[in-house]
Amino acid sequence: KAGVTQTPRYLIKTRGQQVTLSCSPISGHRSVSWYQQTPGQGLQFLFEYFSETQRNKGNFPGRFSGRQFSNSRSEMNVSTLELGDSALYLCASSLDLAGGNEQYFGPGTRLTVT
Amino acid sequence: AQKVTQAQTEISVVEKEDVTLDCVYETRDTTYYLFWYKQPPSGELVFLIRRNSFDEQNEISGRYSWNFQKSTSSFNFTITASQVVDSAVYFCALSGRTNAGKSTFGDGTTLTVKP
Repeated sequence: KAGVTQTPRYLIKTRGQQVTLSCSPISGHRSVSWYQQTPGQGLQFLFEYFSETQRNKGNFPGRFSGRQFSNSRSEMNVSTLELGDSALYLCASSLDLAGGNEQYFGPGTRLTVT
Repeated sequence: AQKVTQAQTEISVVEKEDVTLDCVYETRDTTYYLFWYKQPPSGELVFLIRRNSFDEQNEISGRYSWNFQKSTSSFNFTITASQVVDSAVYFCALSGRTNAGKSTFGDGTTLTVKP
């Protein structure tokens, strides 16, 4: 079974631009979550999608958005990039919304904002 | 609100030493799940173990063992006879009865195993 894939792996953007990151979950997994990882803040939950609906959202500004497609693939978008958005963005998939499901993480997209 | 505390930021040991990574959690849920993940230098978090709040049985898997104690809200992870390949960042995480995808992670413990 193929793992979680994320594209692109690396991105360099300029402040004020916008960016779209993509995530393909493990086949059969219907829940996709996004996390932001930075040295100072650790792993911060962004949002979770299930059946094309956002089920949970973390404490991030509205510049961060996402969506999920019918094939469970997900994208997240960050508009009006700020220097502080530089981070590793991790996507994780799990079978469904049950709390006991382990998450399978992708390799991440490292975003650098200059 | 849920909270996970990994008080040890960094640990350095010499190969073959035993090492314990601490995890303390806070939750008001009566049903919850605890996880440990490993993040090697490559960056991809790897699931290690899951425990639910009703199962306090400790678990051993090879050189890895986990000690779950509800009385102290702790879920500690021990690596016996550590190896260089164990060097990584280890995260403890907590989720409620639903929405595993909204797990709360600790800040992680960076383990360095020196040859």
